Amino acid sequence: DTGVSQDPRHKITKRGQNVTFRCDPISEHNRLYWYRQTLGQGPEFLTYFQNEAQLEKSRLLSDRFSAERPKGSFSTLEIQRTEQGDSAMYLCASSAPGQGSLWDYEQYFGPGTRLTVT
Amino acid sequence: AQKITQTQPGMFVQEKEAVTLDCTYDTSDPSYGLFWYKQPSSGEMIFLIYQGSYDQQNATEGRYSLNFQKARKSANLVISASQLGDSAMYFCAMREGLMDSSYKLIFGSGTRLLVRP
Repeated sequence: DTGVSQDPRHKITKRGQNVTFRCDPISEHNRLYWYRQTLGQGPEFLTYFQNEAQLEKSRLLSDRFSAERPKGSFSTLEIQRTEQGDSAMYLCASSAPGQGSLWDYEQYFGPGTRLTVT
Repeated sequence: AQKITQTQPGMFVQEKEAVTLDCTYDTSDPSYGLFWYKQPSSGEMIFLIYQGSYDQQNATEGRYSLNFQKARKSANLVISASQLGDSAMYFCAMREGLMDSSYKLIFGSGTRLLVRP
């Protein structure tokens, strides 16, 4: 049984470059979330997929950010023309409906991708 | 308006003693859940415990218990018999049930706990 995986774990890029991160959720989890965590802060919601459909995007997700989840499996998060303010930990989480209460949608987090923009 | 407030940026506790990490929340959704996550230096978010808004009893998971005071809108985490491995960042989070179908988590700013030997 594998958990949520993210690749790469670390990325250093120069300002203005494009970067792409990948998240592989737990198999059969239909919900996938991206969060961003800056130093000393809690994670902030970026976007959410149910299967392949992107159902919600935060105002934090500027036009330079795009996320996809083709075929409802893995997801990618691309940042175009990176800025120093994009430096953060990008966390992916997945969840699946449970058998019982509303709160069975527990989110399982990956190890994150730490982005540094120089 | 900030929905999750953690007022303790850092806490110290002596090994084997108990410690309480504070969390207050704000929501108008009658159906919500409150969560605590641990984030060690490796970065991964580890789920510890949750409390549903309709749960009558406080949640407990091993050495973790959640002191849920609904009228005061607080959900404090109590860690009993602290261990050196408990040193980490701790985040309180909320999920709204009826007003937010995405079930996304809203996190506080965290409390850094350091357990002294």
